[in-house]
Amino acid sequence: EPEVTQTPSHQVTQMGQEVILRCVPISNHLYFYWYRQILGQKVEFLVSFYNNEISEKSEIFDDQFSVERPDGSNFTLKIRSTKLEDSAMYFCASSDRPSGNTIYFGEGSWLTVV
Amino acid sequence: AQSVTQPDIHITVSEGASLELRCNYSYGATPYLFWYVQSPGQGLQLLLKYFSGDTLVQGIKGFEAEFKRSQSSFNLRKPSVHWSDAAEYFCAVGSMAGFKTIFGAGTRLFVKA
Repeated sequence: EPEVTQTPSHQVTQMGQEVILRCVPISNHLYFYWYRQILGQKVEFLVSFYNNEISEKSEIFDDQFSVERPDGSNFTLKIRSTKLEDSAMYFCASSDRPSGNTIYFGEGSWLTVV
Repeated sequence: AQSVTQPDIHITVSEGASLELRCNYSYGATPYLFWYVQSPGQGLQLLLKYFSGDTLVQGIKGFEAEFKRSQSSFNLRKPSVHWSDAAEYFCAVGSMAGFKTIFGAGTRLFVKA
């Protein structure tokens, strides 16, 4: 069964450093998403991406964050100048239609900022 | 405002007992509803979804959920719980009008022998 894959599974970084989280969505999907889950809290929407541009973003997704689809297969989330409160599990997801349809999640990337 | 409420932070049931996890939503448009399960340290796995049609939907692992528009609810049920069902369960709502899926805070299920 096709799946969304994410790398790294876990990353520890120092405060102020830049982090890039990578995702390979399901190959025929056109909509891509990043969600975040701070430990013990709910899953929060960050951003959706379609046709090489952001289609929607939350208030969490400020200038510190950016997304990119550098080639035909990868979808990345960049966090500039990381803060302690950026420590969370980051989930990539994809779908073949907008959110009304099922989105498929990767297994997540744990980011720990120290 | 769009929101999903899962009133129970955690629930403990005995193995073999029935289970019902509650979910209420607030959504202006026609909702598309989902239940996801998350085992510790794992990603989110879709259990089932409701888009339209029959209000009782069947999912994987023996789960089912019933959409009740009048109560704005989408409760998850399982007739007989197994120890492997211990996990966190998230109710979520989406819409064709938007791109984001909104999640509830989750209900952690504990299963006792």
